[in-house]
Amino acid sequence: EAQVTQNPRYLITVTGKKLTVTCSQNMNHEYMSWYRQDPGLGLRQIYYSMNVEVTDKGDVPEGYKVSRKEKRNFPLILESPSPNQTSLYFCASSQSRGALYFNYGYTFGSGTRLTVV
Amino acid sequence: AQSVTQLGSHVSVSEGALVLLRCNYSSSVPPYLFWYVQYPNQGLQLLLKYTSAATLVKGINGFEAEFKKSETSFHLTKPSAHMSDAAEYFCAVLTHFGNEKLTFGTGTRLTIIP
Repeated sequence: EAQVTQNPRYLITVTGKKLTVTCSQNMNHEYMSWYRQDPGLGLRQIYYSMNVEVTDKGDVPEGYKVSRKEKRNFPLILESPSPNQTSLYFCASSQSRGALYFNYGYTFGSGTRLTVV
Repeated sequence: AQSVTQLGSHVSVSEGALVLLRCNYSSSVPPYLFWYVQYPNQGLQLLLKYTSAATLVKGINGFEAEFKKSETSFHLTKPSAHMSDAAEYFCAVLTHFGNEKLTFGTGTRLTIIP
């Protein structure tokens, strides 16, 4: 089954304790992206990756890191989490630009609900 | 920068009534527009998309949306609401073709009244 898999689904952590949220897709998609969802703000892009070893900042990158060493994986790293990073996080992937993108759009993972205390 | 505005963070309709969720976009070039649905505790699922082909777009689960350039709108409708339609709905616009970024509206939570 074609899917984007995020782990963990739920995570409670303490301020300052480094954590990684994993994201993996099995569709050979080139493009991957991380969003955070907050009430009243919708989804905002954190980082994205156009392909292996190609990453760039989105709208709200502060406090986050990413890496793209393999095409299928795009982990989100919080080096020193703070309470304002408490949020619902989504990983998404798609084919790259052009006709393939518009046929398929984004595929989203099921989300990771992170609480930082 | 391109953006979308969703009017009404909460909408309630009776089962069997018309569903209308509003989305307006700002774009200096022809936009690519999307509606996504998020059921409780799930990720986002694509409902439909507008990519400059037909102005009336049909999606899954009986939803459709009409692109109106004169009104800069892309409202989502369904003739008859079903209990299973209760969810949060997001309008989004594709920005930055180099980034392929979807910029989302703030969402509309749809409640169906039995």
